[in-house]
Amino acid sequence: DARVTQTPRHKVTEMGQEVTMRCQPILGHNTVFWYRQTMMQGLELLAYFRNRAPLDDSGMPKDRFSAEMPDATLATLKIQPSEPRDSAVYFCASGLGYRGDTGELFFGEGSRLTVL
Amino acid sequence: GNSVTQMEGPVTLSEEAFLTINCTYTATGYPSLFWYVQYPGEGLQLLLKATKADDKGSNKGFEATYRKETTSFHLEKGSVQVSDSAVYFCALSENTGGFKTIFGAGTRLFVKA
Repeated sequence: DARVTQTPRHKVTEMGQEVTMRCQPILGHNTVFWYRQTMMQGLELLAYFRNRAPLDDSGMPKDRFSAEMPDATLATLKIQPSEPRDSAVYFCASGLGYRGDTGELFFGEGSRLTVL
Repeated sequence: GNSVTQMEGPVTLSEEAFLTINCTYTATGYPSLFWYVQYPGEGLQLLLKATKADDKGSNKGFEATYRKETTSFHLEKGSVQVSDSAVYFCALSENTGGFKTIFGAGTRLFVKA
């Protein structure tokens, strides 16, 4: 049963600490997206990749957030230093990403981050 | 840039009532349109999709028709159940480049028995 796997599921940390969230996309999927969900802002696109190359990270605060794909099976989202306003649920999603793809995304269960 | 606007919630209905959640979009080109559903504590999952104008997506009694002339993709269901209580997201995906996907704000639906 292919699915997107995210770790950790829950993270509580103190302001100023580094946070790293990891995502394993579905094998064979070429696009990976990071979204942040909050009550106030809804679902915001932070960054996305195709064939491991970043296509758009304009949704990320550049001074503290970074997103990478070290290899095809791993995407990371790092926050350094973290702030209380970063508290949210972070979702990773993957998609086929090649010609003929209709754009359907498959979501992980999310990483709930609380920054105290 | 592209955008998706959907009706604000929450929407509260009694079981077996008719459901409509409005969604309109702004896009260049010819995007694909989607409805995703999110149950408590879970990620989003695809409910239905339509890839071109006049297509109708349907699943589990839900339907939505891709209306290019009104740039709309309204979600409907004839008779809701308590188990339909969830948050519903309208989304569009650009069919070029990296299939960038953006979402509406989400509409929370409560169905009472």
